[in-house]
Amino acid sequence: AQRVTQPEKLLSVFKGAPVELKCNYSYSGSPELFWYVQYSRQRLQLLLRHISRESIKGFTADLNKGETSFHLKKPFAQEEDSAMYYCALSGWGFQKLVFGTGTRLLVSP
Amino acid sequence: DTAVSQTPKYLVTQMGNDKSIKCEQNLGHDTMYWYKQDSKKFLKIMFSYNNKELIINETVPNRFSPKSPDKAHLNLHINSLELGDSAVYFCASSQDEDGYTFGSGTRLTVV
Repeated sequence: AQRVTQPEKLLSVFKGAPVELKCNYSYSGSPELFWYVQYSRQRLQLLLRHISRESIKGFTADLNKGETSFHLKKPFAQEEDSAMYYCALSGWGFQKLVFGTGTRLLVSP
Repeated sequence: DTAVSQTPKYLVTQMGNDKSIKCEQNLGHDTMYWYKQDSKKFLKIMFSYNNKELIINETVPNRFSPKSPDKAHLNLHINSLELGDSAVYFCASSQDEDGYTFGSGTRLTVV
């Protein structure tokens, strides 16, 4: 069965500090991993996907198949990064996304 | 004790049919949503209801109509189904600044 675990409900950091939002997954096949973000009172939007290997808004995430993890990182957090972050998993092809429960990132000045 | 439940999980139907997907949440949340997962696995919002009142209505064909009989339910009706409607549809709910709780998705296949 597919499962996504985001162990932290809330991550609070100061502006300029490094950020790592954890995501672990369980999937027997070859996964596609995503990070979605929801800023306050806005709709959900795609932040990045592992196959793109790109950096969006300074965030990066590397798929570690050995540790079954896809942690989201940013070296220097900004206040505007405060939001809910959801890790999601899918099998290849047209498969349903499976979401983690989300981590709220709070960046204080 | 599923928090957000969607039924059915899978739906295969012929072009031209009318179908409904149901969503129920037992979390007491005020806001419910329908999102569509496209072929690239992007989620696009379709509708959002707050306390039975429509607050987001994206540009979707008017063959899609949401109905919220009470704040715990948000159903999605689709008339005259087309091949391009095939997708995964997610229901979600939220309360104030709290995050989403997602349903498990409904995969709709139109043949």
